[in-house]
Amino acid sequence: DIVMTQSPLSLSVTPGEPASISCRSSQSLLQNNGYNYLDWYVQKPGQSPQLLIYLGSNRASGVPDRFSGSGSGTDFTLKISRVESEDVGVYYCMQALQTPQCTFGQGTKLDIK
Amino acid sequence: QVQLQESGPGLVKPSETLSLTCIVSGGSIGSYYWSWIRQPPGKGLEWIGYVYYNGKTNYSPSLKSRVTMSVDTSRNQFSLRLSSVTAADTAVYYCTRGSGWYIGEMRYWGQGTLVTVSS
Repeated sequence: DIVMTQSPLSLSVTPGEPASISCRSSQSLLQNNGYNYLDWYVQKPGQSPQLLIYLGSNRASGVPDRFSGSGSGTDFTLKISRVESEDVGVYYCMQALQTPQCTFGQGTKLDIK
Repeated sequence: QVQLQESGPGLVKPSETLSLTCIVSGGSIGSYYWSWIRQPPGKGLEWIGYVYYNGKTNYSPSLKSRVTMSVDTSRNQFSLRLSSVTAADTAVYYCTRGSGWYIGEMRYWGQGTLVTVSS
């Protein structure tokens, strides 16, 4: 199975400052079609998870442009250029390559200083 | 706007079968991957499996022996059955819609339904 490892597991950020979350997979998520099968989701308090980034770097519709995803193969990063109070929540990476199942990272809890 | 709504019992007895249905509104169930994901209280997300609109399924190996998923295109809904449940199956269960060509890009999620396994 593909193991997804996130770091850090928690971070506290001052509003207006940047934040970065790392996600590492135990196998490459880059396929021959050039796509990395890696999504990012955020679960805000009391809500269902919501899609932020898909295929490694594509921002989902309605997601502010302060969110960006990068990386390829086994190493990926979610960056928030300027954290806002509404960004509080738990961030998950998920590999969608399967083999044999989709797996999530442990989650990174972001709160505001 | 696509909406997903889980329905089913909130309380299931140990050793019995958990049954949930996800009703899809605002869009067709055709040509997409439909997944079930669960979240035990205070813990992270666990993918259970998917059913494709044509009935093809794939399940998490750890749950495969107990899981059955199906799709009903005429009713625009899909279902999850998990047999022989234990307290470890207590979780919020979410249904999701993935992309049309791969399982990810889960743009739509249900609100989630808490299922408690207890006698």
